[in-house]
Amino acid sequence: KNQVEQSPQSLIILEGKNCTLQCNYTVSPFSNLRWYKQDTGRGPVSLTIMTFSENTKSNGRYTATLDADTKQSSLHITASQLSDSASYICVVGGYNKLIFGAGTRLAVHP
Amino acid sequence: DAGVIQSPRHEVTEMGQEVTLRCKPISGHDYLFWYRQTMMRGLELLIYFNNNVPIDDSGMPEDRFSAKMPNASFSTLKIQPSEPRDSAVYFCASTPPWGAKDNTEAFFGQGTRLTVV
Repeated sequence: KNQVEQSPQSLIILEGKNCTLQCNYTVSPFSNLRWYKQDTGRGPVSLTIMTFSENTKSNGRYTATLDADTKQSSLHITASQLSDSASYICVVGGYNKLIFGAGTRLAVHP
Repeated sequence: DAGVIQSPRHEVTEMGQEVTLRCKPISGHDYLFWYRQTMMRGLELLIYFNNNVPIDDSGMPEDRFSAKMPNASFSTLKIQPSEPRDSAVYFCASTPPWGAKDNTEAFFGQGTRLTVV
């Protein structure tokens, strides 16, 4: 069964600190892995997209890693800001289908 | 391009009424997806279209749900009759052509927040 599991479910950190969000998947065949940021009341917005051959990709303070052998990905946020408070959703692309994780809700406190 | 446009942004309706949600995909995108998001279940794929043809509707919860795409620039998701458990945020997304080796972006609309009372 194609599944995407994210951890932790929720996370609270202080402004300026770093954090890492995890994503494990069992999707086959695997096409790509995406991390989305979803602000409250808005649609998801893409942060990174990685294919099978890519191990890491950065977008500003966001760095995603992918280990296709262990089927694990992480999203690292550096020097967090209050605006990073959102849900972060891991999405794995199979053939013509996107499988969504339940997301990690991140709250950044001043 | 204005992106994926959904309407209405908010809808409050009484149980038993018909609800129609609308979506305009990005011009040139030939895949269109309908998702439902709740706190309990996260984002769930309901149905998706390719070139206006429904490809996979296995996520549609019940026969009360139906979706159409009469042309490349418009799609509707209809719930009839609506029930309180249908309350959720419904998202529409579109993508360009993609395949097993593609990494095309999926663009989401702002969503329609549906409340059935």
